[in-house]
Amino acid sequence: AQKVTQAQTEISVVEKEDVTLDCVYETRDTTYYLFWYKQPPSGELVFLIRRNSFDEQNEISGRYSWNFQKSTSSFNFTITASQVVDSAVYFCALSEDMIKAAGNKLTFGGGTRVLVKP
Amino acid sequence: DAMVIQNPRYQVTQFGKPVTLSCSQTLNHNVMYWYQQKSSQAPKLLFHYYDKDFNNEADTPDNFQSRRPNTSFCFLDIRSPGLGDAAMYLCATSRGQVANTEAFFGQGTRLTVV
Repeated sequence: AQKVTQAQTEISVVEKEDVTLDCVYETRDTTYYLFWYKQPPSGELVFLIRRNSFDEQNEISGRYSWNFQKSTSSFNFTITASQVVDSAVYFCALSEDMIKAAGNKLTFGGGTRVLVKP
Repeated sequence: DAMVIQNPRYQVTQFGKPVTLSCSQTLNHNVMYWYQQKSSQAPKLLFHYYDKDFNNEADTPDNFQSRRPNTSFCFLDIRSPGLGDAAMYLCATSRGQVANTEAFFGQGTRLTVV
């Protein structure tokens, strides 16, 4: 069975500080996909990034960066120079290789609430 | 423009009274999902459709049913809502059959049971 753990339930920072969200996963599959989603107060889950298990390159997109380390089963997310608009709940999620079945079934971590104060 | 639309955004229903939540999509995606998200918890998959094929999660209660009359629409029916069914219900879609495509989510319907 697959499992995603986000140990931090809530992080509070002051604007312009960096914040790193931890994500640790468990899976028996050799092929799998990792995701980060943002859930603002409006409720919609907004896709941020997808990474497959064969691609361990770190990625940077604007103020966002992701560090994937297969050796430690971690996929951490850093927001640099945080802004008030970054306040949201962030979910890490895992999807196993489902080519033989239908769909993209996501197993979510418990989420980390980020509060950025002005 | 919203691509996955859920109606209504807020729904209040009485204990035991059947309720239907709706979801529509303009993406023409094959797969549609329903997730349940209780307060301060992670979303949990209830079931999904691949085209017309229905796939129920093993631990989804029988109280929850779904219908997908066409590609664009999917409904979640709760036959006899209990207080424990109060939650945010999220509809999502994805393209294709493989796991490497991201899911697009609607804004959710927050269900209150009184």
